[in-house]
Amino acid sequence: GAGVSQSPSNKVTEKGKDVELRCDPISGHTALYWYRQSLGQGLEFLIYFQGNSAPDKSGLPSDRFSAERTGGSVSTLTIQRTQQEDSAVYLCASSSIAGGADTQYFGPGTRLTVL
Amino acid sequence: ELKVEQNPLFLSMQEGKNYTIYCNYSTTSDRLYWYRQDPGKSLESLFVLLSNGAVKQEGRLMASLDTKARLSTLHITAAVHDLSATYFCAVDRLNDMRFGAGTRLTVKP
Repeated sequence: GAGVSQSPSNKVTEKGKDVELRCDPISGHTALYWYRQSLGQGLEFLIYFQGNSAPDKSGLPSDRFSAERTGGSVSTLTIQRTQQEDSAVYLCASSSIAGGADTQYFGPGTRLTVL
Repeated sequence: ELKVEQNPLFLSMQEGKNYTIYCNYSTTSDRLYWYRQDPGKSLESLFVLLSNGAVKQEGRLMASLDTKARLSTLHITAAVHDLSATYFCAVDRLNDMRFGAGTRLTVKP
């Protein structure tokens, strides 16, 4: 079946604008993860969704970041008032077992550039 | 604070040789992960280690976990060029997940 998909693949925006990044997990996967990768900070965990449960948001880097997962499937990561330090590749992954005990399947990522 | 250290950060080895990448972490953990990343590509999950003494093997790669020493190793046996990539470990504790800086492995003929 189809893997994890993310859109857009590339996004260039101006400082101060809001952006939305989308992740479509593998059908039936209950767990969904967001990460980002940047030259300055390396790989960072952002947020984890388990089914329809409320996520732990403590990994989000600032209150400009928010994420939701509708119907236990598609997830959107929103960054408000983007800053240059938000430039990174944002990766989404899903897995079939909650709690991180199973293989995570990663999407191709969204490369965000904030000018 | 949960900290994860990988070493070496860069590793150049010849085909056919064996080597080990180390991942040390600072506090108790729930899970330890190993990932592979090819240049310009996304991450690929390699192993999830859940308990002390866990050992998993896939092809020429074998990962182990010693929770008492807070150490995981990724052992490469008889390296081949296709293993050239960056390898990351990550530690998950109470949904706080931290990554190592990565080991860039280059396997030369």
